[in-house]
Amino acid sequence: QVQLQQSGPGLVKPSQTLSLTCAISGDSVSSNSGTWNWIRQSPSRGLEWLGRTYYRSKWYNDYAISVKSRIVINPDTSKNQFSLQLNSATPEDTAIYYCAKEGYGLDLWGQGTTVTVSS
Amino acid sequence: QAVLTQPSSLSASPGASASLTCTLRSDINVAAYGISWYQQKPGSPPLFLLRYRSDSDKQQGSGVPSRFSGSKDASANAGILLISGLQSEDEADYYCLIWYSSAWVFGGGTKLTVL
Repeated sequence: QVQLQQSGPGLVKPSQTLSLTCAISGDSVSSNSGTWNWIRQSPSRGLEWLGRTYYRSKWYNDYAISVKSRIVINPDTSKNQFSLQLNSATPEDTAIYYCAKEGYGLDLWGQGTTVTVSS
Repeated sequence: QAVLTQPSSLSASPGASASLTCTLRSDINVAAYGISWYQQKPGSPPLFLLRYRSDSDKQQGSGVPSRFSGSKDASANAGILLISGLQSEDEADYYCLIWYSSAWVFGGGTKLTVL
């Protein structure tokens, strides 16, 4: 049974980097069939897909246009996890952040991490 | 215009059926897309209910009751989530999702009230 466990700080200062990690159990981040996503949710923006990473003989990333200049999603094969870095955070990045595994859609979600960007 | 449009709210009675719609922007043909549906209750992440592309290409989420089903209305260019035999526990927000233009795109969600 695949499970996703998120971790990371709940408070980030403006202009700093928002960093979160999603640990995978029951599957491998480097499997040739897994695709690993980050999504966020806020009252103003609703559910917003941020990006994904996946391995198909080599690593690939796809990012949402809205954050493409600020986002990095990295796999960590040694720890079987993947991470989100969102640079130059602003109060508009305040949201609940989720990691999710792709299947038919976004089939399995982490528990969510509430991140507030504030000084 | 948004890629996916959902009515903001819907009310229905226990035991009745509820039809939740997800309308695709007019330049996007619903026939070409698989539409995923999610249920979200307060304090919890979205839960995958099902994906529907056609009657021969559909998947139910693990443990999701069969009273949740998907379909399409080609004339309305919309995907439909049908919930039959409504129960109080079905009261939640419901979201649709498609893969469009190299990105996952969510609808704005429908708040279903069972009363």
